[in-house]
Amino acid sequence: DAGVTQSPTHLIKTRGQQVTLRCSPKSGHDTVSWYQQALGQGPQFIFQYYEEEERQRGNFPDRFSGHQFPNYSSELNVNALLLGDSALYLCASSLFGGGAGELFFGEGSRLTVL
Amino acid sequence: AQTVTQSQPEMSVQEAETVTLSCTYDTSESNYYLFWYKQPPSRQMILVIRQEAYKQQNATENRFSVNFQKAAKSFSLKISDSQLGDTAMYFCAFMKLATGTASKLTFGTGTRLQVTL
Repeated sequence: DAGVTQSPTHLIKTRGQQVTLRCSPKSGHDTVSWYQQALGQGPQFIFQYYEEEERQRGNFPDRFSGHQFPNYSSELNVNALLLGDSALYLCASSLFGGGAGELFFGEGSRLTVL
Repeated sequence: AQTVTQSQPEMSVQEAETVTLSCTYDTSESNYYLFWYKQPPSRQMILVIRQEAYKQQNATENRFSVNFQKAAKSFSLKISDSQLGDTAMYFCAFMKLATGTASKLTFGTGTRLQVTL
C-alpha cells in the first residue's frame, strides 16, 4: 500500500520564479492538505482540498494556489517566489469527514529560493 | 485561534532512560484532539500518539504515554526506555474536532530529542 508520495524531493529556484509541487495521497484517501515548514519551525497549514475544491485556507497570500485532480492527487503552486518561501513543503492526506482520523504525511519537497 | 507552545527547544537523554517532553496549548474549543508527531531526519512526520480531549484516561502506545491535564491545557509526552531510534524532532499538535470536514493541525515549534549511548 503506497503511502503519500511527493515530488520533487528537492528543488532550487530564484526569486520571482514560479514553482509547482505534486502530491499523491495514500490509497483510499480523498483529502489533501499542504503545510509549509520553515527551518527550525513547526509546519504551518496552507490549505486543504477535497472534491477538487479548496475547503480551508491558512494565513497565506494568494501567491499560493492549489489544485486537486479527479484521482485525488494535488498540486501546490507558488508564484513570484520570495526568499522567505524557502521551506519544506509537506503534503498530508486523510479522509474527509473522518473526524480526527490520522493524517498521513509525505516526506516533503525541500524548496530553496536564491 | 489555537496556539501550541513547546518550551524545550532541545533535550537529551541516555539510552534506556525516561524523558518527558512538555507542551501547552490554548483554545476555546471544547472538542478537540491532541497529537505528538515525530520527524526523523528522513523528514516524514510520523504519528506517535493521539489523545481525545473528552477522554480522561491518558493515552499510551507501548513506550510512549501522555499526561493530559485538560484544565491546565497541558499535554506532555513521556518516552520510557529510550532508544537510539527515538532521536528526532517531536511536535505537539492540536486539531479541532469538526464534523463533516477534515480538520487541520496546528503545530508547536518542536523539541529536538537526542538519545545518547
